[in-house]
Amino acid sequence: DAGVTQSPTHLIKTRGQQVTLRCSPKSGHDTVSWYQQALGQGPQFIFQYYEEEERQRGNFPDRFSGHQFPNYSSELNVNALLLGDSALYLCASSLLGEGRLNTQYFGPGTRLTVL
Amino acid sequence: AQSVAQPEDQVNVAEGNPLTVKCTYSVSGNPYLFWYVQYPNRGLQFLLKYITGDNLVKGSYGFEAEFNKSQTSFHLKKPSALVSDSALYFCAVSSGANNLFFGTGTRLTVIP
Repeated sequence: DAGVTQSPTHLIKTRGQQVTLRCSPKSGHDTVSWYQQALGQGPQFIFQYYEEEERQRGNFPDRFSGHQFPNYSSELNVNALLLGDSALYLCASSLLGEGRLNTQYFGPGTRLTVL
Repeated sequence: AQSVAQPEDQVNVAEGNPLTVKCTYSVSGNPYLFWYVQYPNRGLQFLLKYITGDNLVKGSYGFEAEFNKSQTSFHLKKPSALVSDSALYFCAVSSGANNLFFGTGTRLTVIP
């Protein structure tokens, strides 16, 4: 049973550039959430996608956007990168059908460094 | 508003001794509580959760946690620590909105 996968593993960008991160959910899951984990901090919720729509959003600017595809995979896009966007970006998948509050399973993350 | 406090940045325990990692929370409505563990350069691994029911929740790798509503706590425990338990532990809370609010983490070091 394949778990949550993310690509790429590491990424280096410069300020002002744009980046796209990718996530494939655990087999059988239909919901994808994205989190940002800055160094020494706990993960912070960015947004969640279900049925190809953004269902919830945390306190992140519009530079952060996403997409969910019909196969439930998801992308996180960040425009106009800032130094402060350097972080580990975590994708988590879950099955909404289990009930409103269900366990989220995390991928290994993408380490983004902005220079 | 939701918040999670993990009052100890670092916990050291000798191998074979019991361990406790503390967590207190604040949330409107019924709390849904989770513990995750993170190994170096890895994502988060789910350990256990409390939704409703028995206040003592048993999870993976011999870990358990006790929900205490009056003290708004959800401490993680294990009767006998292993060196391989050394990692970063995160407590998380949700009000049921299906997104998680995490604490800042506690680094557990088990000393051989």
